[in-house]
Parts: sequence; C-alpha cells; structure tokens
Amino acid sequence: QVTLKESGPALVKPTQTLTLTCTFSGFSLITSGMRVSWIRQPPGKALEWLARIDWDDDKFYSTSLKTRLTISKDTSKNQVVLTMTNMDPVDTATYYCARMGRTVGYFDYWGQGTLVTVSS
Amino acid sequence: QSALTQPASVSGSPGQSITISCTGTSSDVGGYNYVSWYQQHPGKAPKLMIYDVTNRPSGVSNRFSGSKSGNTASLTISGLQAEDEADYYCSSYTSSSTVVFGGGTKLTVL
Repeated sequence: QVTLKESGPALVKPTQTLTLTCTFSGFSLITSGMRVSWIRQPPGKALEWLARIDWDDDKFYSTSLKTRLTISKDTSKNQVVLTMTNMDPVDTATYYCARMGRTVGYFDYWGQGTLVTVSS
Repeated sequence: QSALTQPASVSGSPGQSITISCTGTSSDVGGYNYVSWYQQHPGKAPKLMIYDVTNRPSGVSNRFSGSKSGNTASLTISGLQAEDEADYYCSSYTSSSTVVFGGGTKLTVL
C-alpha cells in the first residue's frame, strides 16, 4: 500500500526559507524507475508542478522557480525534502508530494497536502 | 512554460456525456503521449483518472476516457453522475523535462 504524507510549518514569514518533508511508504526511491514530485495549489487556483527527484538522484525543477528550489532525498528514511527560499505571500498554497508512475507523465499516488501560509 | 488551456467550466445533466479539452503545444501535449487527467473534489487531493493519454488506472470507472489529436487532449465522461461533479486538471510532460498542468475545469452536474 503506497502512502505519502507531507509535513512542515503551517506559517512562514516573508523572505524565510520553507522546508517541507514528504514521508512515504509502500515503495523505495532506490528502486529503478521511481520518482517523486512536489506540486502546489494556491487557494482556489490551479495545480503547479514544482520539482522532481528520481531513483538515480536526477533532479528537475520548474523553470520559473528553479533558482529558489532544492529537492533532495533520504532513502534510509523514505523521505523527500523540498526547500524553497525567499518565501512571499504569493507562495501561500497547499503543497503536495506525489509519486510518479511508470512513465514520467503522471502522478499515481498523492499525499493529503499541507497548507503553507506566508504572512508576517 | 505556460499552463495548458482548459475551459473554465462545463456542465451536463445526469446520464449525459461531456468532454473537457486541454490544449498545449508541440513541446508538451503534441510532442508526447504523456497526458494525464486528475479529478479533485473540494478539500481533497487530486485523483488520477487517465494516464498516458488513454489509460485508466485500476478502479477508475470505464465511463472516463481520454484521447488526443495534435496539440489537444480530451477527457470524456459518459453517463454523468452526481459524484462526477468536481474540478478536473490535465497535465503533460514537456520537452524541458518538466510537467505542466492545465488551469482546471469545474464540472457541474445539473
């Protein structure tokens, strides 16, 4: 049974760095072909893909947010960590982690999401 | 990378069929058979409904089907049911090795 769960602060101040952790079970990121992504959704708005990390430690980032994002994994803890620097109120959103399927085109399992509010 | 274009809203009566379009470019939808569709009910995480353009995950009703022509992908829901009322998002892999989502479509079952 595959599960993912996001954790991190609910509130961050402008200019601070956000660190989110995705803890998963039911699969391993050392298995060939496994990939995990982060996706966010501002309140009432559309989904936005942020970053992806692969089993072989390849990393990919949203073109528009690349300079602010870092994704990493700890395979011993079954965790993927996303950091986003210089947070702004427009970054207020629900942040999801999701496992990618056997191809790079889809997300088959999602976490429940965690709402992050950026406010002073 | 610009978001894929979806209609903001569609509606239909129970039992009818509806189609939601998702238009991109040759660098995303038109260039790869990696289009997927997600259903999202209020306050819930998205749920995968269609992957790789036409494939349905186990457990998803066969009332949901996907297709693609050129730079436009489509999701068709037949035999509309009240529980289908939700937001629907398409996504595509891109030539930049990223993923782009559509702006979302609100489906109302009348």
